[in-house]
Amino acid sequence: NAGVTQTPKFQVLKTGQSMTLQCAQDMNHEYMSWYRQDPGMGLRLIHYSVGAGITDQGEVPNGYNVSRSTTEDFPLRLLSAAPSQTSVYFCASLDFGGYTFGSGTRLTVV
Amino acid sequence: GQQVMQIPQYQHVQEGEDFTTYCNSSTTLSNIQWYKQRPGGHPVFLIQLVKSGEVKKQKRLTFQFGEAKKNSSLHITATQTTDVGTYFCAGGFRGSNYKLTFGKGTLLTVNP
Repeated sequence: NAGVTQTPKFQVLKTGQSMTLQCAQDMNHEYMSWYRQDPGMGLRLIHYSVGAGITDQGEVPNGYNVSRSTTEDFPLRLLSAAPSQTSVYFCASLDFGGYTFGSGTRLTVV
Repeated sequence: GQQVMQIPQYQHVQEGEDFTTYCNSSTTLSNIQWYKQRPGGHPVFLIQLVKSGEVKKQKRLTFQFGEAKKNSSLHITATQTTDVGTYFCAGGFRGSNYKLTFGKGTLLTVNP
């Protein structure tokens, strides 16, 4: 039981490049979320999903896309990376208790 | 939008001193959760409070949910160096229990 797995752990992108941050969970949780964490800003919700085929926007969705074709996977796509997207990204899934977070992806956009 | 305010932003204590962080919402929460994030790590779930006036304890940690379900606190008795990290509260609002709004966190440092 691996919990929530995020890849890659680190990534450097050039402005304008696109990429996908991967997230997978093996706990059969319906609810999954993507958060970004910036110094002094806490965790801000980007997108979330309440089940396969259902996604919705969070607090800071601009510049990001998500899809949920299976219960297990919830990838986050950066369409055209900008320096403002430099951050640590956490994927999380939720059961009746609290969130289980992945170990994060540290993204730098230059 | 819905916001959860958390204070203080930073707290430095001597080992053995107590520590408290507070969360406040302008609107009624359906539940509140608490997380701990060690430096360089990811948030780890500590506890969830659901009932008005609820108090829960985990060893030296005491969690409270206000009577009006608009505020919450985490109190650590006799801090240890292992308590170092950032403590976040996260509130769920009616109609969106799972769409949590996080406070900005309180960074606790402990001087041995």
